Amino acid sequence: EIVLTQSPGTLSLSPGERVTLSCRASQSVSINYLAWYQQKPGQAPRLLIYGTSSRATGIPDRFSGSGSGTDFTLTISRLEPEDFAVYYCQQYGSSPRFTFGPGTKVDIK
Amino acid sequence: EVQLVESGGGLVQPGGSLRLSCAASGFIVSNNYMNWVRQAPGKGLEWVSVIYSGGSTYYADSVKGRFTISRDNSKNTVYLQMSGLRADDTALYYCARDPALRNEHAFDVWGQGTLVTVSP
Repeated sequence: EIVLTQSPGTLSLSPGERVTLSCRASQSVSINYLAWYQQKPGQAPRLLIYGTSSRATGIPDRFSGSGSGTDFTLTISRLEPEDFAVYYCQQYGSSPRFTFGPGTKVDIK
Repeated sequence: EVQLVESGGGLVQPGGSLRLSCAASGFIVSNNYMNWVRQAPGKGLEWVSVIYSGGSTYYADSVKGRFTISRDNSKNTVYLQMSGLRADDTALYYCARDPALRNEHAFDVWGQGTLVTVSP
């Protein structure tokens, strides 16, 4: 079973700052199988990045993803007020089929 | 418009059963991998189950043997039959689509969720 670890658990930042979120897997993950989601309070998650680095439809280019093997990163180049949320990474594997990380909360300093 | 609408949640006693439904519009469920994901109050996301386009089904260890995923192609609807419910099954249950294109996997469409509460 592949376990995903996200760090840090919480980040307190100001609008305009650059943020880098980490997702580490206990075993190697195919770059095709790593995705990132954003979730705001009271809302369903929203797909941001799939295949490690491809932006989903309608996602602004300030969001970018990178990584390979066991280390993956979501970067927000310049935080907008609407970006304060919880971010989850997810992988697709053999068993269980899908796994989510515990999430990183980005809140306003 | 591509949309998923869940229903069937509610209050159920421990050991009880419940069937959740996920009605899709704007696309064909049988052409996609359809998933259930749950979120306990104040907690993170937990994948629960998937039904592949070919019909294969898979479950998280926490629900294996108690939950069954299925679909009705004529109704374009996915179901999650839950039995032997426990307090730790209390969560908001989301339905989510994985189009599984180009050997990539991610959930690009989500419903708004249906709440399941397991309590005496």
